[in-house]
Amino acid sequence: DAGVIQSPRHEVTEMGQEVTLRCKPISGHDYLFWYRQTMMRGLELLIYFNNNVPIDDSGMPEDRFSAKMPNASFSTLKIQPSEPRDSAVYFCASSRDRFTDTQYFGPGTRLTVL
Amino acid sequence: ELKVEQNPLFLSMQEGKNYTIYCNYSTTSDRLYWYRQDPGKSLESLFVLLSNGAVKQEGRLMASLDTKARLSTLHITAAVHDLSATYFCAGGGADGLTFGKGTHLIIQP
Repeated sequence: DAGVIQSPRHEVTEMGQEVTLRCKPISGHDYLFWYRQTMMRGLELLIYFNNNVPIDDSGMPEDRFSAKMPNASFSTLKIQPSEPRDSAVYFCASSRDRFTDTQYFGPGTRLTVL
Repeated sequence: ELKVEQNPLFLSMQEGKNYTIYCNYSTTSDRLYWYRQDPGKSLESLFVLLSNGAVKQEGRLMASLDTKARLSTLHITAAVHDLSATYFCAGGGADGLTFGKGTHLIIQP
């Protein structure tokens, strides 16, 4: 299996622009998670899905952030409009179940908002 | 709300030495994970601990879980340079994982 795939790996954009991050989970995994990692705040869970349905989005920082999972093999995290404080590494992870399986992380997208 | 605290946050040690990283969590957690992250890389799963008294070992790393004390440990035996990385513990609750701040481990030859 190719593992969790994320694109792009690096994104540099200007403040106010829309940014879309993409994730393909491991086939057969029912749970998909979006995390953000910064030096100041560490790793934070933003949102997670179960069978394509958003379960908990309480970690989404504000309305500028939105996430979708239109099918079992694809998810997006969108920031509109982007701000410099959104600069971070965004990870997508997937797992087979919530309670006993480990979460497998993708390579991450390093976002820089100028 | 689950809170996870690791200590130490930074650790520099010499090859061949033993050391332990501690992970305390604030409330009942379904499970406890340990991850490794190399600079600029993703997170790699090391261990999943699911029950009180669970102990898992892989090479020079051994993880244990004491749910009564709300404590997990990651023990490094006879450290080697290749183990230099940042190690995260994470507790699992009803809604995803809560990560500690990570322990930045440097092992000097």
